[in-house]
Amino acid sequence: GAGVSQSPRYKVTKRGQDVALRCDPISGHVSLYWYRQALGQGPEFLTYFNYEAQQDKSGLPNDRFSAERPEGSISTLTIQRTEQRDSAMYRCASSRLAGPGEQNTDTQYFGPGTRLTVL
Amino acid sequence: EDKVVQSPLSLVVHEGDTVTLNCSYEVTNFRSLLWYKQEKKAPTFLFMLTSSGIEKKSGRLSSILDKKELFSILNITATQTGDSAIYLCAGAHYGQNFVFGPGTRLSVLP
Repeated sequence: GAGVSQSPRYKVTKRGQDVALRCDPISGHVSLYWYRQALGQGPEFLTYFNYEAQQDKSGLPNDRFSAERPEGSISTLTIQRTEQRDSAMYRCASSRLAGPGEQNTDTQYFGPGTRLTVL
Repeated sequence: EDKVVQSPLSLVVHEGDTVTLNCSYEVTNFRSLLWYKQEKKAPTFLFMLTSSGIEKKSGRLSSILDKKELFSILNITATQTGDSAIYLCAGAHYGQNFVFGPGTRLSVLP
């Protein structure tokens, strides 16, 4: 597709369940980012990948959150044993980079997000 | 701790007015500052600013960065109702991590 896509767009789950959120970046984009956005707030960084390598996971709030990008394209953010405070919009973004280790910043293109509601 | 602050947090104007949105940042290993417009969907890119004092323009929007004062502004002239949105400012590290501000919610009334 032409843009970043995310699925599902909406997810309602019960507390204690695990959820997996998927991001499909723009084709050929090297870097992929996950953000969490609360209502009325800016996106909060969670983690990012260059290709399949997770470069920084300092924003993951606790060990219930994990992410992977095994083939350097699609990524999955997994939240285990969900809690009500996990309810938010989870956004994915991708950017085109020259390669790992390149000291550069590039425009991030955001997906539509997955709205997670934990009951 | 890295921080991006935006002001005002909320702004209501009438069509035709000119607005200035402010962004200040404290970002370690700062590389660039980005502005995004967010309506009810994903944030869309407006500008990336890397050098001080060089204005970037796109139609009625313009932005400039002051790396000495750690500050950027986004100007919108002759506002239209379609400009109503949340405007997000983000500071980018070397190594690509972005830190976003809370946004300015702009409402343009007809």
